[in-house]
Amino acid sequence: TQLLEQSPQFLSIQEGENLTVYCNSSSVFSSLQWYRQEPGEGPVLLVTVVTGGEVKKLKRLTFQFGDARKDSSLHITAAQPGDTGLYLCAAYTSGTYKYIFGTGTRLKVLA
Amino acid sequence: NAGVTQTPKFQVLKTGQSMTLQCAQDMNHNSMYWYRQDPGMGLRLIYYSASEGTTDKGEVPNGYNVSRLNKREFSLRLESAAPSQTSVYFCASRESGTGITGELFFGEGSRLTVL
Repeated sequence: TQLLEQSPQFLSIQEGENLTVYCNSSSVFSSLQWYRQEPGEGPVLLVTVVTGGEVKKLKRLTFQFGDARKDSSLHITAAQPGDTGLYLCAAYTSGTYKYIFGTGTRLKVLA
Repeated sequence: NAGVTQTPKFQVLKTGQSMTLQCAQDMNHNSMYWYRQDPGMGLRLIYYSASEGTTDKGEVPNGYNVSRLNKREFSLRLESAAPSQTSVYFCASRESGTGITGELFFGEGSRLTVL
């Protein structure tokens, strides 16, 4: 059973467009992370959010943790070809040492 | 600069064969993880080791065994490989004491095909 559902599964957009990726669950988590993975490599951490309602910005990427700490979103402004990759959300429950990953969103930004 | 190292990077097995995926980290991390990645499924946790001497099942442990050989090494064994175990396997580690903000550091993956 996949506890974290991401949408959309695939996204192909033109350079300069904006997009939002969603990560949803029925469970409450202690923290939520977003990773990006490029072909042939392992995922790399982008950001961690821990407080309900928290918003973090990383250049053109904006991450938000839902008020109830059950969901999160990733918004990219003016997407560039370098943003192409697989975006994964991951949830952590305090005391378990377990990280559960979402189903992933594969983004392709066309020049 | 090694980080997390996985071997082998590629392997082809026949149904019923056994093999072990090796993982080693040089960051002195306490926790280590094995995930498998399949299209449309993201990463699914197979087993993890919170610290040396302990191992626990994740979401999809059936058909796998693990050994935490020492603090650096965490191996994943397939005793009798099945086509359903065709996947890309990732090992990851996490620094102790980082609490709920701890970052996972991944290896480059091991691509396994079972015929």
